[in-house]
Amino acid sequence: EVQLVEAGGGLVQPGGSLRLSCAVSGFTFNNFWMSWVRQAPGKGLEWVANIKQDGTEKYYVDSVRGRFTISRDNTNNSLSLQMNSLRAEDTAVYYCARVASAYFDFWGQGALVTVSS
Amino acid sequence: ETVLTQSPATLSLSPGEGATLSCRASQSVNTYVAWYQQKPGQPPRLLIYDASKRAAGIPARFSGGGSGTDFTLTISSLEPEDFAIYYCQQRSNWPQTFGQGTNLEIK
Repeated sequence: EVQLVEAGGGLVQPGGSLRLSCAVSGFTFNNFWMSWVRQAPGKGLEWVANIKQDGTEKYYVDSVRGRFTISRDNTNNSLSLQMNSLRAEDTAVYYCARVASAYFDFWGQGALVTVSS
Repeated sequence: ETVLTQSPATLSLSPGEGATLSCRASQSVNTYVAWYQQKPGQPPRLLIYDASKRAAGIPARFSGGGSGTDFTLTISSLEPEDFAIYYCQQRSNWPQTFGQGTNLEIK
């Protein structure tokens, strides 16, 4: 059974940092691109970042480029998102998702990140 | 970026009825469109990809169609568990984008 479990969400002040992680099981992790997708409270979905199977290619939505860093550990089957210089508009549920042909075929339950003073 | 506009914003129907949801792209996305279903407190679930291919385990009452800029998700006969929010997504043009969603609610 494919499972993706996010951790690391919480409350952080504007300008602060937070690191999300996603533990993966049930499939061969290093065969797939992986993504982070977020959803602001009561809003729609927004793709945030992608990472290639071997970690050599990374892509970001313009609004987070230079502040967020996606990474992966294929030995431990985990995905991470380091978020720096956080803003109120980054408040959202962050989902870890498996990518298949550039679609998101499996999702975690999400981690809530709240940026507020 | 490619903007996806979904209509209607809210669709009120009864179980057993058919539903047609629309997704229009601001520029051509070929057939590189997916549809997702999201229920409250849950992550999205992939229903349809490449405009018309059903994902694994998705019931046959869900079907997708369209190409270029106009796409539809059709649910042939609504079951109680189908009432949810539906999102379209394109992966043809960078960055990949989602529509704002259609809320399918019980009438």
